Amino acid sequence: DQQVKQNSPSLSVQEGRISILNCDYTNSMFDYFLWYKKYPAEGPTFLISISSIKDKNEDGRFTVFLNKSAKHLSLHIVPSQPGDSAVYFCAASSPGTYKYIFGTGTRLKVLA
Amino acid sequence: KAGVTQTPRYLIKTRGQQVTLSCSPISGHRSVSWYQQTPGQGLQFLFEYFSETQRNKGNFPGRFSGRQFSNSRSEMNVSTLELGDSALYLCASSAPGQGNIQYFGAGTRLSVL
Repeated sequence: DQQVKQNSPSLSVQEGRISILNCDYTNSMFDYFLWYKKYPAEGPTFLISISSIKDKNEDGRFTVFLNKSAKHLSLHIVPSQPGDSAVYFCAASSPGTYKYIFGTGTRLKVLA
Repeated sequence: KAGVTQTPRYLIKTRGQQVTLSCSPISGHRSVSWYQQTPGQGLQFLFEYFSETQRNKGNFPGRFSGRQFSNSRSEMNVSTLELGDSALYLCASSAPGQGNIQYFGAGTRLSVL
């Protein structure tokens, strides 16, 4: 049972445009969500997070939106840069579980 | 401050053997989690340790085990290896007061032949 889903395995975007990566979840107990970026041969690196008490969090070019009623979150990257080309994972956790559930990832390719 | 260090980076084993992977967390981090990454499956949670105690465990068979030492370093062990255990094994550490952010190592790539 995949509780966190990233339904788009890949996405291509032109440099300078907006990249929108989507993530859906099924467990209403999730209260904290994170996005990670992963380059080949490296571990995932933390990008941005959002608590369930918020609906938006922004950090530079990265913004995460949370729609709790739809159990959906998205990561917006504006403007997209070639260095953003990587696999992006969303992850979720529920209180007191000390574990994260990760999606299967979306491979973003930013075309110069 | 040094990041999360995983050793070895690459490992080749044969079916039936056992393997031990090591993880040194960021200094001051007491929580260590392990994940298995396979193509198309994302990161699957294995277990999490805090102060030498396992606080949560994922849905993996008992062949997968782990432990944490008093210096927060952690090891995971896989016994009776199967071909399907070939994967990238990732370790992550975190500290209280830093939100729920986990910092990952580069992983150990295990190939089972």
